[in-house]
Amino acid sequence: AQTVTQSQPEMSVQEAETVTLSCTYDTSESDYYLFWYKQPPSRQMILVIRQEAYKQQNATENRFSVNFQKAAKSFSLKISDSQLGDAAMYFCAYRGGSNYKLTFGKGTLLTVNP
Amino acid sequence: DADVTQTPRNRITKTGKRIMLECSQTKGHDRMYWYRQDPGLGLRLIYYSFDVKDINKGEISDGYSVSRQAQAKFSLSLESAIPNQTALYFCATSPGQGHPGELFFGEGSRLTVL
Repeated sequence: AQTVTQSQPEMSVQEAETVTLSCTYDTSESDYYLFWYKQPPSRQMILVIRQEAYKQQNATENRFSVNFQKAAKSFSLKISDSQLGDAAMYFCAYRGGSNYKLTFGKGTLLTVNP
Repeated sequence: DADVTQTPRNRITKTGKRIMLECSQTKGHDRMYWYRQDPGLGLRLIYYSFDVKDINKGEISDGYSVSRQAQAKFSLSLESAIPNQTALYFCATSPGQGHPGELFFGEGSRLTVL
């Protein structure tokens, strides 16, 4: 079974600085998708970014970018120019190419200090 | 209005009571899911359904049952609630084949079992 590991239960960053959240996964598949979701205090789950494994180029969405290392099975999220509104729980998630179930990591709680 | 609507948003009940959490969606997606979120454990899949006639157990289905009443409706039942079922429950949807499979979440139902 696939597993997703987020090794940092909590992280903090100063406003306007950059922070990187780590995620590793275990799979034997070659075709899969990876996601980062954000859960602010409102508890709504919001998709931040996704990466298709067959794409070598790292995904980018405004201030959010990923470092996808397929051989190392690593999928980190970089948040640039951190804002107070970025404070949230962040979840890394994996979906295999042959099914439509997402497996989530345990989450990283990000605090943004003013 | 939200595309994925969960009711109730919050519920407090007693041990042994039957509880139903309801989910309806206007996104037209075939696939629907129920996840449970616990602090420090991330989101874990309870049940999922790929169409009205297809119901599948997730990793933690014991103590739960589901009903897919229509393409747009997917309810989760706790036949006899117990305190360790206290959690935040999410319904989610996703499109069919050919899509990366990201989930679209409801706003969550917080259940407390006393």
